[in-house]
Amino acid sequence: GAVVSQHPSWVICKSGTSVKIECRSLDFQATTMFWYRQFPKQSLMLMATSNEGSKATYEQGVEKDKFLINHASLTLSTLTVTSAHPEDSSFYICSATNSRNRDRGGYTFGSGTRLTVV
Amino acid sequence: DAKTTQPTSMDCAEGRAANLPCNHSTISGNEYVYWYRQIHSQGPQYIIHGLKNNETNEMASLIITEDRKSSTLILPHATLRDTAVYYCIVSTGNMLTFGGGTRLMVKP
Repeated sequence: GAVVSQHPSWVICKSGTSVKIECRSLDFQATTMFWYRQFPKQSLMLMATSNEGSKATYEQGVEKDKFLINHASLTLSTLTVTSAHPEDSSFYICSATNSRNRDRGGYTFGSGTRLTVV
Repeated sequence: DAKTTQPTSMDCAEGRAANLPCNHSTISGNEYVYWYRQIHSQGPQYIIHGLKNNETNEMASLIITEDRKSSTLILPHATLRDTAVYYCIVSTGNMLTFGGGTRLMVKP
């Protein structure tokens, strides 16, 4: 149980275009989802926290108008990178919390999306 | 959330126990110690977590010192597939903030 599906696993896009990444909790309802970004050989950095039905809370330095997060249902959150630039190329990872899975830490991560902007 | 300190990298021989230390001297009474690992180009995988008692599951054991200022993750019989970056995280459970982690290399 407690599976999070992230799609796509990789994407290549042109500069100036927008890319949407989906994160779905397959067998549980996730009231809170998190989005992380990871550059090569670095750790995961939290970008934002999203609660179902409300606006996302962004970490300092993360542009909310550039990284649009929607969490319209208890099983789906999306991250849209708008007007992508090469410096946005990174590995994006989502995580969902499940209060019923506390014995397993309570956090389940997606497999990540590697975004390359050319 | 309290900060953690881990060695940057460690090596371990296949079949031997891997002991990964973590310092968290500023941990608060309501903060748990979580361990996750990340295999290259994948999302983090939960290993184990604890509050103050030692914990064991099918993957690993977690030893937390009595003062809770440090802990050790033990992989009893490391295999090549255990090669990964291991993250020790201290949190009340509201969110997970990742530090640098320890890059464990299991060698034949």
